[in-house]
Amino acid sequence: GAVVSQHPSWVICKSGTSVKIECRSLDFQATTMFWYRQFPKQSLMLMATSNEGSKATYEQGVEKDKFLINHASLTLSTLTVTSAHPEDSSFYICSARSETGTGEAFFGQGTRLTVV
Amino acid sequence: AQSVSQHNHHVILSEAASLELGCNYSYGGTVNLFWYVQYPGQHLQLLLKYFSGDPLVKGIKGFEAEFIKSKFSFNLRKPSVQWSDTAEYFCAVTSGGSYIPTFGRGTSLIVHP
Repeated sequence: GAVVSQHPSWVICKSGTSVKIECRSLDFQATTMFWYRQFPKQSLMLMATSNEGSKATYEQGVEKDKFLINHASLTLSTLTVTSAHPEDSSFYICSARSETGTGEAFFGQGTRLTVV
Repeated sequence: AQSVSQHNHHVILSEAASLELGCNYSYGGTVNLFWYVQYPGQHLQLLLKYFSGDPLVKGIKGFEAEFIKSKFSFNLRKPSVQWSDTAEYFCAVTSGGSYIPTFGRGTSLIVHP
């Protein structure tokens, strides 16, 4: 299947700083990418849908100004957690949808964010 | 809005035991159904999917799932589990023309050697 690479795999940052997470589709073009947040022992919660060249669509309850999403090219989307706080500590997962074949989504390996 | 329910949150089995993980969804229209697996420390991987045709779907690593439309179910099965099947399993659904999957809360499977 197609490969989606997420970087970094884990990051520890101080409270009040910003962290950028990258999501790349390595061998296909993804006009649409998704960002999820996964709490321990819980399911993936969709945060936003990112479309190349346009503004992201955020799910209800997700702060746009806190979780900045940029999808500048067909292979790269970034999520920036601004002014991070300990409650933002979580596992963030990106997904990219293939426009060919059955259009299934492929997932990155996730980023474990710890805010101290 | 659609929802996905996975009944078993934690399952513990011995090697060679049979496995069945339940998944039910709430949407009356056409659905696409998926099972993903997340091994410890790794990313989500697609096990199998159903879009149309034969309701009995065979996936990788000996897994299969059966779509029963009348029961709104898509249960995952494996006749004989292995220690390496220890992982988190997620059922997901897309429907109504949306390609954004809705995930169940996941089932943690532990297989004892």
